[in-house]
Amino acid sequence: EAGVAQSPRYKIIEKRQSVAFWCNPISGHATLYWYQQILGQGPKLLIQFQNNGVVDDSQLPKDRFSAERLKGVDSTLKIQPAKLEDSAVYLCASSRGLAGKETQYFGPGTRLLVL
Amino acid sequence: DAKTTQPPSMDCAEGRAANLPCNHSTISGNEYVYWYRQIHSQGPQYIIHGLKNNETNEMASLIITEDRKSSTLILPHATLRDTAVYYCIVGLHGGSQGNLIFGKGTKLSVKP
Repeated sequence: EAGVAQSPRYKIIEKRQSVAFWCNPISGHATLYWYQQILGQGPKLLIQFQNNGVVDDSQLPKDRFSAERLKGVDSTLKIQPAKLEDSAVYLCASSRGLAGKETQYFGPGTRLLVL
Repeated sequence: DAKTTQPPSMDCAEGRAANLPCNHSTISGNEYVYWYRQIHSQGPQYIIHGLKNNETNEMASLIITEDRKSSTLILPHATLRDTAVYYCIVGLHGGSQGNLIFGKGTKLSVKP
């Protein structure tokens, strides 16, 4: 079974620019998560989708971050405009169950550097 | 904030058992203990979870104390590929696992 795919793997931008990350979850997984992992810390949940609906976006900085999962499959996370403190690894994860009962499977992440 | 406390780092000799402790003194009766690990430059990987009873799978064993205030993850025969950051997480099961709150974890170094 193919794992969670993410692209790009690395991105370098200047502050105030915009950037977008893409995630394709494991086939058939209803729930998709985006996490932010700052160097030296554990991942922090940004947003959780169940099919194409948002379950939890309480920690998403909505003034600059947005995410969508229009067809309930793949998802994009956008930052506009980027700040220096957005430098981090952005991880996408998916789980099979609708209620999140299943294990979360993580992709390799996108490493973002904002200069 | 994470509801668990773990040592920041540990060393283990290759082939020996690695015992990773975790304190979760404020755990609720319906909360599970989860363990994930993160190998360098990869996303986290699920290892095991449990509620009250000890659990074992092909990767590891989880020992939970009777009062559930602490637990130990055991890798019975550590290899160099087990070098990673290990996260102990307390959360609800059957509800949203998006409630997984990661702390800083324990950096396990397996040495030859």
